[in-house]
Amino acid sequence: EAQVTQNPRYLITVTGKKLTVTCSQNMNHEYMSWYRQDPGLGLRQIYYSMNVEVTDKGDVPEGYKVSRKEKRNFPLILESPSPNQTSLYFCASSSREERYGYTFGSGTRLTVV
Amino acid sequence: DAKTTQPNSMESNEEEPVHLPCNHSTISGTDYIHWYRQLPSQGPEYVIHGLTSNVNNRMASLAIAEDRKSSTLILHRATLRDAAVYYCILRVLYGGSQGNLIFGKGTKLSVKP
Repeated sequence: EAQVTQNPRYLITVTGKKLTVTCSQNMNHEYMSWYRQDPGLGLRQIYYSMNVEVTDKGDVPEGYKVSRKEKRNFPLILESPSPNQTSLYFCASSSREERYGYTFGSGTRLTVV
Repeated sequence: DAKTTQPNSMESNEEEPVHLPCNHSTISGTDYIHWYRQLPSQGPEYVIHGLTSNVNNRMASLAIAEDRKSSTLILHRATLRDAAVYYCILRVLYGGSQGNLIFGKGTKLSVKP
């Protein structure tokens, strides 16, 4: 089944403890993105990648890092999480070809205390 | 990034057609019009997209104005499961943000039984 898989689905962590949220897609997609969703602010893009080793900042990149060493994986790294990074996170991927839309993961709900 | 304007909310009765409007007056000639929806507690889901011609698929129809400055997503018979936030997005085909997907606030559709 074609899908975008995020792990973990839920995570509670403490301020300052480094964490990684993984994202993997099995559709050989070139484009991948990370979004965060907060009440009243909608979906905001954190980082996106157009292909392996090509990444760029979205609207809210502060406090986050990404890497794209392989086509299928696009992990989101929080080096020193803070409570304002408590949010619902979505990973998405898409083919470069325009006839396809983006496929989203099921989300990761992160709480930083 | 090219912007879209949608009503904040709309209501519909079950089994009636729903027309969700979107204005995108600054669209460029190569921007695709994408629609996604997000059901409660789920990630966004691709609905439909088009460039110039009207499009139909199993989920919905997309009507694009001749000047491409507006479009309408048509749900032919709304069901309770169609209650969601619907996002109209312009996807850039060329340039620095090629392929990227930037979300606006969307339209919250309520469906009454």
